[in-house]
Amino acid sequence: NAGVMQNPRHLVRRRGQEARLRCSPMKGHSHVYWYRQLPEEGLKFMVYLQKENIIDESGMPKERFSAEFPKEGPSILRIQQVVRGDSAAYFCASSPGSGFRSYEQYFGPGTRLTVT
Amino acid sequence: AQSVAQPEDQVNVAEGNPLTVKCTYSVSGNPYLFWYVQYPNRGLQFLLKYITGDNLVKGSYGFEAEFNKSQTSFHLKKPSALVSDSALYFCAVRDKDNYGQNFVFGPGTRLSVLP
Repeated sequence: NAGVMQNPRHLVRRRGQEARLRCSPMKGHSHVYWYRQLPEEGLKFMVYLQKENIIDESGMPKERFSAEFPKEGPSILRIQQVVRGDSAAYFCASSPGSGFRSYEQYFGPGTRLTVT
Repeated sequence: AQSVAQPEDQVNVAEGNPLTVKCTYSVSGNPYLFWYVQYPNRGLQFLLKYITGDNLVKGSYGFEAEFNKSQTSFHLKKPSALVSDSALYFCAVRDKDNYGQNFVFGPGTRLSVLP
């Protein structure tokens, strides 16, 4: 059973470009979380999604950031018009979403975004 | 609102000595509690969790944690530290009684085990 997959692992964008980060949850998992980690800092919650629905986006910046988790395919975190301050590691985690194990969260390896 | 505090940014311990990484939490309901470890340039790896039952929870790599409801703490412990335990450790909480709430992570504690 493959774990949570994220791609790309490293992404370099120039200021003003768009960044698209992908997350494929573990098989059977219907809930996805996105977190951002700045260098030498902890994880900051961004958004919590289930398929075709955003459950909690309280951690998402109001502008330029969006996330989706379609019925088919991976979850996408999109950052438009990137700025240097967006440089960070972005982690995705998935959980079953229901049942006894719904509280468990499994993390992907992260995407390291560098904005030049 | 949920919150997690890890009062120490850095913990240094000699190899072979016991280690403790502290965590306190705040939730409105009953907590689910977790510890994760992060090695350099890697994602978070699950160590252990408290859901219900015994207050002493045993996890991966010889780690354990004790849930103390009165002190709202969930400190991570290991009887004998290894140099390979050096990493960044995160405590996390989720409100058991509020399904819509997400996970909240502490700021992390960097553990250095000295040979």
